[in-house]
Amino acid sequence: DAGVTQSPTHLIKTRGQQVTLRCSPKSGHDTVSWYQQALGQGPQFIFQYYEEEERQRGNFPDRFSGHQFPNYSSELNVNALLLGDSALYLCASSPRGSAPREQYFGPGTRLTVT
Amino acid sequence: AQSVTQLDSQVPVFEEAPVELRCNYSSSVSVYLFWYVQYPNQGLQLLLKYLSGSTLVKGINGFEAEFNKSQTSFHLRKPSVHISDTAEYFCAVRRDSSASKIIFGSGTRLSIRP
Repeated sequence: DAGVTQSPTHLIKTRGQQVTLRCSPKSGHDTVSWYQQALGQGPQFIFQYYEEEERQRGNFPDRFSGHQFPNYSSELNVNALLLGDSALYLCASSPRGSAPREQYFGPGTRLTVT
Repeated sequence: AQSVTQLDSQVPVFEEAPVELRCNYSSSVSVYLFWYVQYPNQGLQLLLKYLSGSTLVKGINGFEAEFNKSQTSFHLRKPSVHISDTAEYFCAVRRDSSASKIIFGSGTRLSIRP
């Protein structure tokens, strides 16, 4: 059973550009959460998708947007990139069913903005 | 709102020595508590979790943690560390048993000396 997968592994972008990161959840999981982990810090919650809708959002600007597809996979889009957006972006998926619904993390996408 | 404080940013320890990584949390409601490990250039892996019941929780790789409600602490311990335990360790809280967002501490880097 494949775990949470993310693509690409690494990405280099220039300030002002736009980027799309992708996440495929574990089989049987229907909820996807995104986190940003800046260098030397703990992950920070960006938003969570369930049933193709954004259900929760952290303290991130509107430049950060997302989408969930009918197959439960998800995308994170960041517009007008800033140098401060350089970070490891982690995706986590949670299984269907009753609580507790543990979050399983993918390996992350390392984004570098120059 | 919930918050997590990891009191030590770095903990150096000799191989086969015991270690304790400290974590304190703040919350006005009951929370669930977690410890995650992040090996270099990898995503997050769940070490252990406290949801309810016994306050002493055993996890993978010989780690354990004790929930102390009066001191709002959830310290992680291991009686004898190995070189392979070198990693970043994150304490985290979640508000409830659903897939709600996880709030992470800033991390403690555990470095093992031979």
